[in-house]
Amino acid sequence: KQEVTQIPAALSVPEGENLVLNCSFTDSAIYNLQWFRQDPGKGLTSLLLIQSSQREQTSGRLNASLDKSSGRSTLYIAASQPGDSATYLCAVNPPSYGKLTFGQGTILTVHP
Amino acid sequence: NAGVTQTPKFQVLKTGQSMTLQCAQDMNHNSMYWYRQDPGMGLRLIYYSASEGTTDKGEVPNGYNVSRLNKREFSLRLESAAPSQTSVYFCASIRQSEQFFGPGTRLTVL
Repeated sequence: KQEVTQIPAALSVPEGENLVLNCSFTDSAIYNLQWFRQDPGKGLTSLLLIQSSQREQTSGRLNASLDKSSGRSTLYIAASQPGDSATYLCAVNPPSYGKLTFGQGTILTVHP
Repeated sequence: NAGVTQTPKFQVLKTGQSMTLQCAQDMNHNSMYWYRQDPGMGLRLIYYSASEGTTDKGEVPNGYNVSRLNKREFSLRLESAAPSQTSVYFCASIRQSEQFFGPGTRLTVL
């Protein structure tokens, strides 16, 4: 059974810092990996999707990498802002795609 | 283009009552999903529908039923609500393996 772990569980940083969120998974047979953002009381917003054949994806200040063989993904946020404060979730898609397995999330707080 | 919409946003039920959570998407996606989110448990898949007319159980289907009414709509029904079903429920649809989520329904069962 696939298990997804996110470290750290919570992170508090001053504005302007670059930061890395980690996601690890136990079964490397994945179709893709998706990073989401969730604001309090809201739904999930897709940030980045990395296919199993890709090494990284970038969107603005966000960069996500994927190392399938080691079962790891990282989300890099450059020049963090208070508006980045949210819970960040990673989820892996098995080859029979669609049935995502989620990590517990990292709660990020960026203070001015 | 509203994306994925869910109704209601909030609901309080008494134990034993029934209700249906509604979900609709206007993106012409084939596959739709129902998840529940609980503190410390993360998001867990309840049921999914790979295409119109098909449904399959996910990780935690007990106590729920679903209906894929048409390509747009996928409803989740609680026949006899229990306090353990207090949760936030999310509907999602998928396009080219990327999932898009609705805003959620917060359900409390007393």
